[in-house]
Amino acid sequence: AQKVTQAQTEISVVEKEDVTLDCVYETRDTTYYLFWYKQPPSGELVFLIRRNSFDEQNEISGRYSWNFQKSTSSFNFTITASQVVDSAVYFCALAPGSNTGKLIFGQGTTLQVKP
Amino acid sequence: DAGVIQSPRHEVTEMGQEVTLRCKPISGHDYLFWYRQTMMRGLELLIYFNNNVPIDDSGMPEDRFSAKMPNASFSTLKIQPSEPRDSAVYFCASSLIGGGFAGELFFGEGSRLTVL
Repeated sequence: AQKVTQAQTEISVVEKEDVTLDCVYETRDTTYYLFWYKQPPSGELVFLIRRNSFDEQNEISGRYSWNFQKSTSSFNFTITASQVVDSAVYFCALAPGSNTGKLIFGQGTTLQVKP
Repeated sequence: DAGVIQSPRHEVTEMGQEVTLRCKPISGHDYLFWYRQTMMRGLELLIYFNNNVPIDDSGMPEDRFSAKMPNASFSTLKIQPSEPRDSAVYFCASSLIGGGFAGELFFGEGSRLTVL
């Protein structure tokens, strides 16, 4: 079965705190892709990152960083020095290796950053 | 280049009425996806097309739902007859995959449907 689990439904932090959003996935495919999307209050879904299953290098982009660990089937997302504008729903997604772009989304984590 | 364009942004209708949602994908993209978002079920893939051909419609809830892609620049999702449980935000997304998995999904702003 293909599945994405985001166990944290809601997280609330104070501005400038670091926060990590957890994502655990299930797949039997050896080739697959993992994604993070952001959905701000305005409602659109914004692409943040794509990772393929053969690339376990961590990635950093500004205040964002991602930790991909195949051994634990996890793809966690950390925001350093959070800001109010980071408040949004964050979705982790899995694309099985069938090369179609079909994404299976987790339930999402609502992040609230308070000033 | 313009992003994925969806219309209408908001639709309020009464149970039993026909609803048509429209999508214009990003020019040159070869895949088009329809997703539905609800509080209870999250983001669900309804159907997707490759080069205008429906590939997988296993997510379409029932026969009341149908989707078409008559050409590379236009797709519709139709619900007939609509029911209150169809109330959701419907997203269209497109992607350029071509010969390999190259692109992420680009989403439209969504169509919020309310069925009374």
